[in-house]
Amino acid sequence: EVQLVESGGGLVQPGRSLRLSCTASGFTFGDYAMSWVRQAPGKGLEWVGFIRSKAYGGTTEYAASVKGRFTISRDDSKSIAYLQMNSLKTEDTAVYYCTRASPTYSGSYYDYWGQGTLVTVSS
Amino acid sequence: QSALTQPRSVSGSPGQSVTISCTGTSSDVGGYNYVSWYQQHPGKAPKLMIYDVSKRPSGVPDRFSGSKSGNTASLTISGLQAEDEADYYCCSYAGSYTVGPSVVFGGGTKLTVL
Repeated sequence: EVQLVESGGGLVQPGRSLRLSCTASGFTFGDYAMSWVRQAPGKGLEWVGFIRSKAYGGTTEYAASVKGRFTISRDDSKSIAYLQMNSLKTEDTAVYYCTRASPTYSGSYYDYWGQGTLVTVSS
Repeated sequence: QSALTQPRSVSGSPGQSVTISCTGTSSDVGGYNYVSWYQQHPGKAPKLMIYDVSKRPSGVPDRFSGSKSGNTASLTISGLQAEDEADYYCCSYAGSYTVGPSVVFGGGTKLTVL
């Protein structure tokens, strides 16, 4: 059974950093792209970014709203994906979902989702 | 890239069919056959219902179907059931990594089963 479990969320002050982790099980982690999607309270889904599998160079792509502040990485030996969030803003407050993306260069759909972890940016 | 445009809400009675539209541009919906649809019940994580415009993942009922014409994609739910009441989001690959986000979501549509 595929499982994705996020951790690391919480309350953080504006300008500070936070790192989210996504621990995966039930599939060959290294074969898949992994993506992060967020949802502000009462709002819709927003793509944050993703990291390709090593087969596609392990490269990353980001939404304009987080580019330069957020970094996605992966440790295939531990089946963990990370989202390093720096210079956090109040508008980054959201539930952050880890997702398994399609095993292609585009990583264009998300077939498994974690339960989400809430990040609250407030002073 | 702007978010894809979806109606805020749709409704239907049990047994009826409803269609949710998702309008983008030639840079996203119209440019690629990479439209996906997600169902989200309150307080739950989204669930993939349709991918690559019209493909259904294993376990998704065949009451759910997807299509695309030009820059508009559609999700049709036939034989509405009470458990279909949820928020639905469309999503499209946008491809141009150097210009904007490579993936865009719609604003979401609330489906009410009357």
